[in-house]
Amino acid sequence: GENVEQHPSTLSVQEGDSAVIKCTYSDSASNYFPWYKQELGKRPQLIIDIRSNVGEKKDQRIAVTLNKTAKHFSLHITETQPEDSAVYFCAASLGGATNKLIFGTGTLLAVQP
Amino acid sequence: DAGITQSPRHKVTETGTPVTLRCHQTENHRYMYWYRQDPGHGLRLIHYSYGVKDTDKGEVSDGYSVSRSKTEDFLLTLESATSSQTSVYFCAISKDRGGNQPQHFGDGTRLSIL
Repeated sequence: GENVEQHPSTLSVQEGDSAVIKCTYSDSASNYFPWYKQELGKRPQLIIDIRSNVGEKKDQRIAVTLNKTAKHFSLHITETQPEDSAVYFCAASLGGATNKLIFGTGTLLAVQP
Repeated sequence: DAGITQSPRHKVTETGTPVTLRCHQTENHRYMYWYRQDPGHGLRLIHYSYGVKDTDKGEVSDGYSVSRSKTEDFLLTLESATSSQTSVYFCAISKDRGGNQPQHFGDGTRLSIL
């Protein structure tokens, strides 16, 4: 079946440094790629998303890049702060317009003050 | 925040008993989803609904059934709970605007089966 691989599973950075999380998807028909942040004991919250007709999208300190040829997409967080500490999940749409997502297994980001 | 309410928020029950989890939305969104979240597995789709009485299976549907008799409610039932179904269950909703739309999650139900 289709899958999404996410790396690394854990990431520790110093406050102010950048963090990068990478995902690879298998379904060539995937066209929508959201990223979610989940704090401990909380619900996943959408932080940014990108569609296949765009190569990069930015929102303040967060950016996402997409390489359709290689089936890779990445989350970049600049100037990290302790409140960025959480688990981050990438996801890719299944098929064309199915409105279904397949998720990566998550990255635990720890920002050390 | 999307108007999604999951109930109960916590439940402990015994193996072999039936369990029903409820997801209620006030957004009038067409799509509703049930996921389970387990360490090392991320979020896995159990069942989803694309309209009233329209449902389909996800990747981990064995042992689960769903029903959607009203736009606002999506029920997940474990007919005979097993310890392997101990998990955190999340409901999500998304709009119908053509093409894939963001999914927004409820606060989750922590289910323990002893």
